Amino acid sequence: DTGVSQDPRHKITKRGQNVTFRCDPISEHNRLYWYRQTLGQGPEFLTYFQNEAQLEKSRLLSNRFSAERPKGSFSTLEIQRTEQGDSAMYLCASSSEQGLGRTGNTIYFGEGSWLTVV
Amino acid sequence: AQKVTQAQTEISVVEKEDVTLDCVYETRDTTYYLFWYKQPPSGELVFLIRRNSFDEQNEISGRYSWNFQKSTSSFNFTITASQVVDSAVYFCALVNTGGFKTIFGAGTRLFVKA
Repeated sequence: DTGVSQDPRHKITKRGQNVTFRCDPISEHNRLYWYRQTLGQGPEFLTYFQNEAQLEKSRLLSNRFSAERPKGSFSTLEIQRTEQGDSAMYLCASSSEQGLGRTGNTIYFGEGSWLTVV
Repeated sequence: AQKVTQAQTEISVVEKEDVTLDCVYETRDTTYYLFWYKQPPSGELVFLIRRNSFDEQNEISGRYSWNFQKSTSSFNFTITASQVVDSAVYFCALVNTGGFKTIFGAGTRLFVKA
């Protein structure tokens, strides 16, 4: 299996600029997640897609954040008008339908996209 | 509400020592999954194990072993004969069976010195 891939791996941007991250999940996984991780903390849930439907958004996701998964395959996470507080690693993960097989409910992560806002 | 607590922020051991990473969780759900992930310096979170709340059998995989005790809401992880390559941050996580939001602890940073 090809794992979850994310692009770019690192992004440095000036405050106020927009940035977009892309995630390609494991091919047979219909669930896709975005998490955010800051230094010294565990990943925090941002949003979740089942196929192309965005079913849940965390209150951490302000209206400057938008995520899409147009065809139920890859996903993008856009941050508009970036702020220094947005500096973090943005992690994408995917999973198969819950309860199926021994990997159900297990999320597999990509390598993450580091964002630095200066 | 669900919560995962990893009380040990950092642990430092010398190679070949055994080390146990503690995880305590809170959930009102009767069925759930528990996980351990490893995050090496490269940043990628690597899945190590999933445990179903119905299954309290301990599990061993090579130098790794996991002790799940429902009575104390703990899911501890032991590395036997630690190696330098075990140096990483380790996260314990929880999701209820019907859910999709995996909750992570703050992680334990393990340093293994040669």
